[in-house]
Parts: sequence; structure tokens; C-alpha cells
Amino acid sequence: SQQGEEDPQALSIQEGENATMNCSYKTSINNLQWYRQNSGRGLVHLILIRSNEREKHSGRLRVTLDTSKKSSSLLITASRAADTASYFCATIMIYNQGGKLIFGQGTELSVKP
Amino acid sequence: EPEVTQTPSHQVTQMGQEVILRCVPISNHLYFYWYRQILGQKVEFLVSFYNNEISEKSEIFDDQFSVERPDGSNFTLKIRSTKLEDSAMYFCASSEVGTSGVDTQYFGPGTRLTVL
Repeated sequence: SQQGEEDPQALSIQEGENATMNCSYKTSINNLQWYRQNSGRGLVHLILIRSNEREKHSGRLRVTLDTSKKSSSLLITASRAADTASYFCATIMIYNQGGKLIFGQGTELSVKP
Repeated sequence: EPEVTQTPSHQVTQMGQEVILRCVPISNHLYFYWYRQILGQKVEFLVSFYNNEISEKSEIFDDQFSVERPDGSNFTLKIRSTKLEDSAMYFCASSEVGTSGVDTQYFGPGTRLTVL
């Protein structure tokens, strides 16, 4: 099954505006994580929200989690050109020794100066 | 701040050749992972490694792939006989703990593998 499907696939906004990206998933989760990837670069961990949390903040980032709807959203407030990147949500599939991340397709965010 | 490092940043190889991608995980981490991302596609899990053995692998991780922790710091991914479809960005990741399922995995910058 597909886990961590984001929408929109692409989002273009002006600097200073807020950007909201959504993620839906299919199975029950232990936590959900958001990552950022600048073009052709590595994945940078942004924020982790546990299944018993509903909202979490980190600087200009706000993540919400609705386990009843199996969805999460990432809000970036007062966006900057440097926020231009792809954003991925990832759920974790736990096994005996660890957990593997299942990534969505990502939302490509473009912030125009 | 400690980080995961990977070398080389870009590797070009001929089809059928062996390649070894190298990673240095964060020093106090115990769980190590390889993921890959084919251009324009999702990041996909390949394999995880704990206590000197593979703990989980995906169907992508066939007999052509192997992982090793040859010393106390390096973690390597070997592709024995590369195919064109192995061209991708390969990411190494590590986490401090793994069984709780709530731990963050920290990713390296990736190695772009191009198979000609």
C-alpha cells in the first residue's frame, strides 16, 4: 500500500506567504516525519510528530496530525526563497530491529522572491 | 553538529562493474540504513543493519547488493555487477535507536551513481 502521499505535488508561492502541504497515509503509524530535500541534495529532517500528538511547532514550521483521518499537514509560515525545496512526509514501518521509512512522492515548493 | 557523511558524491561506472559506496554514520548511532532515489521518483528503503547483521531488506536488495561495517566507523553498500537501472541517488542514514520506532533517521548527502 502507498504510505505518505503528499499533495499538492507542486506549489508555487510568493515570499512572505504561508505554504501548506498535506500528507495522507493508509495504515496505522507510530510517528510521522517530514523531510526537506534541496534539488539533488540529501534529506534534511525537519520534524517528527508522534501518533499521540496532534500538533507540533519548530520555528516557522507547524505540523498537525489527525490519526482519525490518517493525514498530516506541514505549514511553513512567512516563507522565504530559501524554503524552495521538495518536502516529503515519511511514515515508519516497524520491524524486529528498527524501522524503515516509507516516503511519499513529495511536494515541490517554489518560493518566488 | 554530528552528521552522516558519504563518499564519493558522484560515481560513474560502466555496466557490469562493481561499485562500493561508503558512509560514515553518526558515531553513537547503532542502526544504519541505505535508501535510494531514482531520478524523479520516491525515496525507497533498501536495507537496514544492526549489530553487524542485516535486520530488514526490501525486494530491491537482491543478491547483487551487500552491506558491510568493515570497522567501527564505516558502513558500505556494494553493488556487485551494476545495471543501468541501478543509476540513482543512494542515501545512507543512521539512528541512535530503532526498536522504539520513534527515533529520527539522519541522512547523508547522498552518492549519485551513474551507470553507463
